[in-house]
Amino acid sequence: DGGITQSPKYLFRKEGQNVTLSCEQNLNHDAMYWYRQDPGQGLRLIYYSQIVNDFQKGDIAEGYSVSREKKESFPLTVTSAQKNPTAFYLCASKERDRVYGYTFGSGTRLTVV
Amino acid sequence: DQQVKQNSPSLSVQEGRISILNCDYTNSMFDYFLWYKKYPAEGPTFLISISSIKDKNEDGRFTVFLNKSAKHLSLHIVPSQPGDSAVYFCAATPSGGSRLTFGEGTQLTVNP
Repeated sequence: DGGITQSPKYLFRKEGQNVTLSCEQNLNHDAMYWYRQDPGQGLRLIYYSQIVNDFQKGDIAEGYSVSREKKESFPLTVTSAQKNPTAFYLCASKERDRVYGYTFGSGTRLTVV
Repeated sequence: DQQVKQNSPSLSVQEGRISILNCDYTNSMFDYFLWYKKYPAEGPTFLISISSIKDKNEDGRFTVFLNKSAKHLSLHIVPSQPGDSAVYFCAATPSGGSRLTFGEGTQLTVNP
């Protein structure tokens, strides 16, 4: 079955440490996305990538970094520069030229203590 | 600048009645609109969509209405069921669809 996998489901880190969240898809989708969910603020776009080796900043990219070395993988690094990293992070993918057809992962809950 | 806005953080309805969730947008470039349903600690699942050339789209118990002149859309759920209890997100994208912009979400609670 094709799908999108985020791991781990729950992640705890100490303040000041960088942490990388994994997102892997086997849907052969070109485009991949990272969103952050906070209570009362909906889903906000962090970074997105339309094609391998290319990515664009979303609305809240500060304190985050990404890479897109393989079509299937779009890891997100939460750096120590991100002021409020505790949140629920969602990865999504879709075929590049389609308007619809987003597939979301089940998310990673990051807690920084 | 919140380009997609859901002004009601929560809505409570009785089982069997109609649920109406509202969404407003400001960006005239948005051509496609989607509704997602989300449970806690899970990813959103797609419910229904509408393009700007239509004013209504129906799928079973779910109907989305679009009023372009008012930049407003709504999701109607009839009849509401307890299993519909979740957070509902409105999302929009321009032609080309390179990215989705989401609203804040509305928590729907359907009481038995």
